[in-house]
Amino acid sequence: QQQVKQSPQSLIVQKGGISIINCAYENTAFDYFPWYQQFPGKGPALLIAIRPDVSEKKEGRFTISFNKSAKQFSLHIMDSQPGDSATYFCAADSGNQFYFGTGTSLTVIP
Amino acid sequence: EPEVTQTPSHQVTQMGQEVILRCVPISNHLYFYWYRQILGQKVEFLVSFYNNEISEKSEIFDDQFSVERPDGSNFTLKIRSTKLEDSAMYFCASRTYRVNEQFFGPGTRLTVL
Repeated sequence: QQQVKQSPQSLIVQKGGISIINCAYENTAFDYFPWYQQFPGKGPALLIAIRPDVSEKKEGRFTISFNKSAKQFSLHIMDSQPGDSATYFCAADSGNQFYFGTGTSLTVIP
Repeated sequence: EPEVTQTPSHQVTQMGQEVILRCVPISNHLYFYWYRQILGQKVEFLVSFYNNEISEKSEIFDDQFSVERPDGSNFTLKIRSTKLEDSAMYFCASRTYRVNEQFFGPGTRLTVL
């Protein structure tokens, strides 16, 4: 059973555009939802995270929108830059482990 | 800034051989994890470890796998008899008490021939 579903698999955005990645989860007991950024050959690095009692969290150009009733959350990258080109993983925390989505490969074209 | 470190960065082994992957978590962290990522796929949970015992393990973490915290700083993953399908990137992660964020190491690329 796939606990966290992520889409799209890949995304190409023009520099300055908005990148949107979506995730949906199954288990209502999840209590923490991080987004990780991964560059080739590197480990995942925390980008931004949210708890289910908050509907939106913004840090710089990165925003998480959270819809608890729909069990969905999304990452918005405003003013996307070529340096944002990476793979992005959403995750959900059960308390004992992170369940990761399948990843989105983002390419920002100059 | 403190970080999780892992050694080696790349390990090549023959099928059936034992490998030990090493991790040094952030020093004040209490919870330790191993994840793996097969090339091009998602990150998958293997095992979590707290207070010198396994907290949770996935179906992947069968009898061929074991973890150990041999001293106050290292956290190891042992694969007793490697299979071709064990080829993957293995990530160690750690977190401190009452904080959800897990800090990931740079990974060990394991290649089983």
